Amino acid sequence: AQKITQTQPGMFVQEKEAVTLDCTYDTSDPSYGLFWYKQPSSGEMIFLIYQGSYDQQNATEGRYSLNFQKARKSANLVISASQLGDSAMYFCAMRRTHSINQFYFGTGTSLTVIP
Amino acid sequence: EAQVTQNPRYLITVTGKKLTVTCSQNMNHEYMSWYRQDPGLGLRQIYYSMNVEVTDKGDVPEGYKVSRKEKRNFPLILESPSPNQTSLYFCASRAGAETYGQYFGPGTRLTVT
Repeated sequence: AQKITQTQPGMFVQEKEAVTLDCTYDTSDPSYGLFWYKQPSSGEMIFLIYQGSYDQQNATEGRYSLNFQKARKSANLVISASQLGDSAMYFCAMRRTHSINQFYFGTGTSLTVIP
Repeated sequence: EAQVTQNPRYLITVTGKKLTVTCSQNMNHEYMSWYRQDPGLGLRQIYYSMNVEVTDKGDVPEGYKVSRKEKRNFPLILESPSPNQTSLYFCASRAGAETYGQYFGPGTRLTVT
């Protein structure tokens, strides 16, 4: 069975500091994709970053980077220079490559940025 | 503007009364999905579609039906809603490349009494 685990229900970070949100996954598929999404209090889901299982380098998108450790099956999201607008729920997700539109989401981490 | 629209945004209904939540995307995306979001459980995929007339079950398909007769539309049908289907529902679409994330609709908050 495929599974995504986010063990931090809530996190706090000081404005302008960096924060790491943890995500571990469990799959026996040789190939898969990992995603992070942001859900502000307004409710919409926003795609942040993607990492492929065969990518040699960690993905980066602006202030977001993905710390991918394949052997540990972890895909942690790092947000640098936190801003007040980063306060939101963050979800890690995995897509099975052989079932190209089947996705599994974690339970989410609520991030609060403190001024 | 590229978007996924859902209607209605809010719905209160009674047990057993059939309902349909519509989903439409204007980006010509092949792939579409329905999710439900419940507190403490994250998002769970109900059904997904790879193209017109091609759909498959996600993790929690019981009590739901879908159809994909046109590329842009992917309605979610609850034939006989029950209170345990009270949830926040999201429709999502994405283009074909592996690296692409999903575009999500604004969500439909459904309450079944």
